[in-house]
Amino acid sequence: NAGVTQTPKFQVLKTGQSMTLQCAQDMNHNSMYWYRQDPGMGLRLIYYSASEGTTDKGEVPNGYNVSRLNKREFSLRLESAAPSQTSVYFCASRLMGDRSYEQYFGPGTRLTVT
Amino acid sequence: AQKITQTQPGMFVQEKEAVTLDCTYDTSDPSYGLFWYKQPSSGEMIFLIYQGSYDQQNATEGRYSLNFQKARKSANLVISASQLGDSAMYFCAMRELIGDSGAGSYQLTFGKGTKLSVIP
Repeated sequence: NAGVTQTPKFQVLKTGQSMTLQCAQDMNHNSMYWYRQDPGMGLRLIYYSASEGTTDKGEVPNGYNVSRLNKREFSLRLESAAPSQTSVYFCASRLMGDRSYEQYFGPGTRLTVT
Repeated sequence: AQKITQTQPGMFVQEKEAVTLDCTYDTSDPSYGLFWYKQPSSGEMIFLIYQGSYDQQNATEGRYSLNFQKARKSANLVISASQLGDSAMYFCAMRELIGDSGAGSYQLTFGKGTKLSVIP
């Protein structure tokens, strides 16, 4: 089991460019999440998908869109990148009904917008 | 209002000693849970321990234990017998119900973290 995988690991964008961050999990989890982590901060929720076919906004959704492509994959798109979106992006997944409530995290994508 | 507060930006501990990392939380939800995650310098988020609000006993996982004081709204992490490999950022997080309660989806709200340094 690879767990939660994210691509790419690193990316540098110019202001105004677009890109899609990919996330996939092989644990048959229902719920998937995108978080961002700014320097010196904890993670903040951008968007989540409670189950295949649904997506909802989290705490900091502005400037992002998401797609739950299938049960395994949940992508995050930046349509027009801004320097304020320089951050480390984490994808996570969880099995609904799991009483441990644990979210399993991917390794992160470090994004720099110049 | 900050929901998770970690008041110690940095902590030092001697190898083999025990250390307590503080976490206080704020919620009006009677059903909630507290997590601790470790983030080493390599950047990944590693789950350490979980405590549910209705759990009668404090959670323990190996050298990690969670000192849960519900009335004080605190969920401190205790690491016993510190090792050099424990040097990392430690985040306290609280699970909260989000969206349609029928969907049963939860988000994690994180504190700002505590940087623990273990001294040989």
